[in-house]
Amino acid sequence: EVQLVQSGAEVKKPGESLKISCKGSGHRLNNYWIGWVRQMPGKGLEWMGIIYLGDSDTRYSPSFQGQVTIFADKSISTAYLQWSSLKASDTAMYYCARMATLTSNFDYWGQGTLVTVSS
Amino acid sequence: EIVLTQSPDFQSVTPKEKVTITCRASQSIGSSLHWYQQKPDQSPKVIIKYASQSLSGVPSRFSGSGSGTDFTLTINSLEAEDAATYYCHQSSSLPHTFGQGTKLEIK
Repeated sequence: EVQLVQSGAEVKKPGESLKISCKGSGHRLNNYWIGWVRQMPGKGLEWMGIIYLGDSDTRYSPSFQGQVTIFADKSISTAYLQWSSLKASDTAMYYCARMATLTSNFDYWGQGTLVTVSS
Repeated sequence: EIVLTQSPDFQSVTPKEKVTITCRASQSIGSSLHWYQQKPDQSPKVIIKYASQSLSGVPSRFSGSGSGTDFTLTINSLEAEDAATYYCHQSSSLPHTFGQGTKLEIK
């Protein structure tokens, strides 16, 4: 069964760094794009960026460029989303989702990782 | 960046009603428009891809239409389990974008 398994919920303080993960289970992600989607509390879905696990080709939304880093380790079918200095406004649920090509839909989604940033 | 505008933002409907949600793109995106359903405390799930293509496991009461800039998601004979927020998503050009969402409440 195809699954994307995300790392667990995190509680951090402003200024701290964080890396969350998304691992393919039941299949290898090497020939897929993995996108990251933010959902702030009570709000809609925001497309953050996407990475092709085969060669780590990465594209960002201008809204998130420079705010986060997306990278991957294809040897373990895992994509990551990283912050170097969290802000309270980064508090949100973060989803990873799989895409076959850059023009296709997201076909499988992770369960989400809740990130809470509070002093 | 392509902006997707959905309407309405919220709709309260009774079971067995027919529901229509629209998604308008700020520029032509061909048929690269997908619809997702997100129930409370769940991850989104794709229900229509490429504007009108149905998906295995999705009830046949869900259908999509449109191309270019105007798209429609139709739910025929609404059921209580369809209470959710629905989002459109364009994959025509980077960055991809989502509509703001349409919340369906079942009376």
